[in-house]
Amino acid sequence: DGGITQSPKYLFRKEGQNVTLSCEQNLNHDAMYWYRQDPGQGLRLIYYSQIVNDFQKGDIAEGYSVSREKKESFPLTVTSAQKNPTAFYLCASSVPGGTYEQYFGPGTRLTVT
Amino acid sequence: AQSVTQPDIHITVSEGASLELRCNYSYGATPYLFWYVQSPGQGLQLLLKYFSGDTLVQGIKGFEAEFKRSQSSFNLRKPSVHWSDAAEYFCAVGVLTNFGNEKLTFGTGTRLTIIP
Repeated sequence: DGGITQSPKYLFRKEGQNVTLSCEQNLNHDAMYWYRQDPGQGLRLIYYSQIVNDFQKGDIAEGYSVSREKKESFPLTVTSAQKNPTAFYLCASSVPGGTYEQYFGPGTRLTVT
Repeated sequence: AQSVTQPDIHITVSEGASLELRCNYSYGATPYLFWYVQSPGQGLQLLLKYFSGDTLVQGIKGFEAEFKRSQSSFNLRKPSVHWSDAAEYFCAVGVLTNFGNEKLTFGTGTRLTIIP
């Protein structure tokens, strides 16, 4: 089955540690996205990538980093510089070309204490 | 700048009653509009989308939405809700960035509660 995989479902870290969230897709989509979701704030775009080896900052990129070495993979690192990292993180992918339609993974809930 | 407003944070509806969730957008060009649904702790699932043509679009699970350009609205409707419709609903507009990349701007969501 084609889809987007995010692992793990739940992640716990101590404050001051970097943590990397995994996102893999087998939909053969060129574009991939990372969102952060907090209660009452909807989805906010962190980073996106339209092609391999290229990515752009979204609306709330500070304290995050990404890489796009393979078409299938778009890992997100939450660094110790992110002041409030506890949130639900969603990965998505799409086929660029005017449809704008995005397909979402199941999400990772990160808790930092 | 583009934006999406969902004025209702939380709506409670009786099972079997009709439903309308409001969405207003602000975008200078022809909008590409979406409704997504999210069950607790899950990802988002596409309910329906509007690109062009007929302003009344049908989606999955018996949902429909009507695009009204004059009101900058894209409200979601269902004639009779089921308990399984309890979830959070997000409206989104597709936009082009300054670099020509495509992205979605989301509203803050409406949480739907169904009472027996």
